Amino acid sequence: GAVVSQHPSRVICKSGTSVKIECRSLDFQATTMFWYRQFPKQSLMLMATSNEGSKATYEQGVEKDKFLINHASLTLSTLTVTSAHPEDSSFYICSALKTGLVSGELFFGEGSRLTVL
Amino acid sequence: AQSVTQLDSQVPVFEEAPVELRCNYSSSVSVYLFWYVQYPNQGLQLLLKYLSGSTLVESINGFEAEFNKSQTSFHLRKPSVHISDTAEYFCAVSDPTDSSYKLIFGSGTRLLVRP
Repeated sequence: GAVVSQHPSRVICKSGTSVKIECRSLDFQATTMFWYRQFPKQSLMLMATSNEGSKATYEQGVEKDKFLINHASLTLSTLTVTSAHPEDSSFYICSALKTGLVSGELFFGEGSRLTVL
Repeated sequence: AQSVTQLDSQVPVFEEAPVELRCNYSSSVSVYLFWYVQYPNQGLQLLLKYLSGSTLVESINGFEAEFNKSQTSFHLRKPSVHISDTAEYFCAVSDPTDSSYKLIFGSGTRLLVRP
């Protein structure tokens, strides 16, 4: 199977600090990864598309300087929430597109719950 | 742009009863369709997908969905549900011609199975 792992699964931080969330494809290479945000009892909102070796593509309304995305290798993408505030508290989910797979099927991580105090 | 509509936010059913979760998508020449399931505080797991070929697709745990192009629907069904099927179900669509492989999700339907 194709496994995507996120770390940490839960993080609590103080307002004003930065938090980094990692998304790893454990048994496959992923040139493209996606970051989503999910509010309670709501659907997933695509934040950005992360491409290995290039800048991320952000969806409209998502602050690039607030949510820094780095995709430095074929198996790792990171999301850094900078100067976090309570309104950034949410469930963040990544997904990875397996390189060479043409079906468009994405493999999802377990999610990371961020709580900003 | 593609969009997905899941009309039912919550569907309560009794154990062993049949269930149908509705999904409609905006019209397009071609689409890939997916159903994902999310258990509390977890990521999404692929339940089943339609890419091409047979319009009826099945999962290993008894769910099935039928691609209906004329009605632009991809409803999810199960003839007899279990308590363990209680979860959030998301329908999603992608455009095969879009190299970005973006998935567009519906708002989700919470399936609540009661004893």
